[in-house]
Parts: sequence; structure tokens; C-alpha cells
Amino acid sequence: AQSVTQLDSHVSVSEGTPVLLRCNYSSSYSPSLFWYVQHPNKGLQLLLKYTSAATLVKGINGFEAEFKKSETSFHLTKPSAHMSDAAEYFCVVSLNTGTASKLTFGTGTRLQVTL
Amino acid sequence: ETGVTQSPTHLIKTRGQQVTLRCSSQSGHNTVSWYQQALGQGPQFIFQYYREEENGRGNFPPRFSGLQFPNYSSELNVNALELDDSALYLCASRGGLAASYEQYFGPGTRLTVT
Repeated sequence: AQSVTQLDSHVSVSEGTPVLLRCNYSSSYSPSLFWYVQHPNKGLQLLLKYTSAATLVKGINGFEAEFKKSETSFHLTKPSAHMSDAAEYFCVVSLNTGTASKLTFGTGTRLQVTL
Repeated sequence: ETGVTQSPTHLIKTRGQQVTLRCSSQSGHNTVSWYQQALGQGPQFIFQYYREEENGRGNFPPRFSGLQFPNYSSELNVNALELDDSALYLCASRGGLAASYEQYFGPGTRLTVT
């Protein structure tokens, strides 16, 4: 079985300060991990993905995440928040099971960015 | 390159009715997955189609069914609609079955069941 836990349902930061969105995963096998962002009334957009290559993954818009197997974590960070980063963020694990592959989403973290 | 498109964008149905949602996958993508996102929740996997056959299913009852066509576009059908079926339905396509393939999501269809 696979699952993800997003440790914060809501995070609020000031513009220009660092962002940390926390995610822990559970998987029986080596997982593929993703972070997706969803702006209001928009579809899901991929920020970055980990697929067993480098453990520090760089994504779009200045976001990055580090895969830590010993801690089963895949936290998302950004050095300096921008107002446009306000959105819902989902940590996602993907696993092939036989011929099928499905994404398992966390419950999401709503990021609020204030002036 | 055309992205994933879904139709309609919004839909209102009455309990007990049937609904069909449509998805056009991104060019060259042979794998389509459908997800249900209830308000305030993360998307939940419904099922996946690969080369016109269902090859993975989440915890959804049989009244949720689908099709994939030779051009890899897809339909999601829901029979006997219930109030709890009200949600955003997302379609995602990708170029293959491997877990590492990125899934590209459409904007979704907002279904309201009254």
C-alpha cells in the first residue's frame, strides 16, 4: 500500500520569506514522488518530480524538494515566497502495481502569502 | 502541442440520472486516468485506461464506468447519480504506464448533483 501525509493543512507566510510544505510518504517499494499545485478554478500543474535519480529535485517557479529515504519525507521548499504562489499544494506518490499505475494524493496544503 | 481538454466545464444533474464526461488526451499520450476531487479534498483515483482497456481501478462502485477510444480520448460515465457524486472530475493523460511518467491534467468538469 502507498500513502502520503501532508503535515499541515494550511501554511501562511509573508511575501519574501521562505516556504516549507511538509510531506511524509509510505510505500512498499521505491516510489515516484511528485508535487502538484492547484490554483483556484484551475487544473493541477506539476511542480517537480522525484524518480530515483538525484535526491534534491528542482522544479518550476523556484521550488525544490529533497527526497529523504531515512525520514520517508519529501518536503517542498522555496527560498522566497511570492504572492502568486498562493494556492493548494498536493504531495503525490505513484507506484506501479502490475500493469496499473495510479497517483495517490495527499489531502493538500493551502499556502497563503501575505504582504 | 494541445493539452488535455475536458467537456463540459460545468454540469448540473438530478439524483438518479446518468452523466457522461469527456476527455481529450494530450497528443501522443496513450494512457488516461480519471480522478474525483470532492470539495476540500485531494483527488481520488477512479480508474485508468491504457490502449482502450481498463487496467487499474480505485475504490469506486461499478456505476462508475469508462471508455477509451482509438484516438485515446476517453469518457467517464456515472449511472444512478448520488448527491455525494458532486465533485470536480479530473482527467489526466501520460505517454506510458511507468510510474515515472508525468501525468498532465485537464481543467476538470464540475458536477453538481441535486
